[in-house]
Amino acid sequence: GNSVTQMEGPVTLSEEAFLTINCTYTATGYPSLFWYVQYPGEGLQLLLKATKADDKGSNKGFEATYRKETTSFHLEKGSVQVSDSAVYFCALTSNSGYALNFGKGTSLLVTP
Amino acid sequence: SAVISQKPSRDICQRGTSLTIQCQVDSQVTMMFWYRQQPGQSLTLIATANQGSEATYESGFVIDKFPISRPNLTFSTLTVSNMSPEDSSIYLCSVGNSANTEAFFGQGTRLTVV
Repeated sequence: GNSVTQMEGPVTLSEEAFLTINCTYTATGYPSLFWYVQYPGEGLQLLLKATKADDKGSNKGFEATYRKETTSFHLEKGSVQVSDSAVYFCALTSNSGYALNFGKGTSLLVTP
Repeated sequence: SAVISQKPSRDICQRGTSLTIQCQVDSQVTMMFWYRQQPGQSLTLIATANQGSEATYESGFVIDKFPISRPNLTFSTLTVSNMSPEDSSIYLCSVGNSANTEAFFGQGTRLTVV
């Protein structure tokens, strides 16, 4: 079935550093791709999404581009803040097209 | 986006007992799902709650252990039956309306089995 693999954490960065969290996928058909974020003590929130090849999702300074040729959807941010400390999950729609399959999550800690 | 309310938000239960988790959505939705997030792990789909019919379970999950109800398009329950400490997890309700679009999540129910 459709699946994602994302880089292991934890990732520790200083404030204003550049962030990349790698995510690659395996899928049949044309899934949609997502990044979700889970802040400490909170629920899962959609960060950004892309529904077809070459789409770029963006939100709160984060970006990710749906790359069909490399089957990737890497998350990037040019300058991280302490408030970005959270766990980030890459996800894609399952073979059914409705439920989501998630990566293992990458914990990010941004220090002042 | 839909507003999803889950109850209870957390509970501590004795082994051998059962807990029913409720999920209420503020609008009618096509699809409702239940996920489990074990400590420090990712989310795993338990089942799709089907309105008016039996839930569709993923491999490794069975109805006797995780009975699910969905009486209408805005409400679902998940019961964790005959609990053991291994069932200690966060259980999340999720909803979606169309294929290949995002899902929205409730705040989750943090279950500890002692």
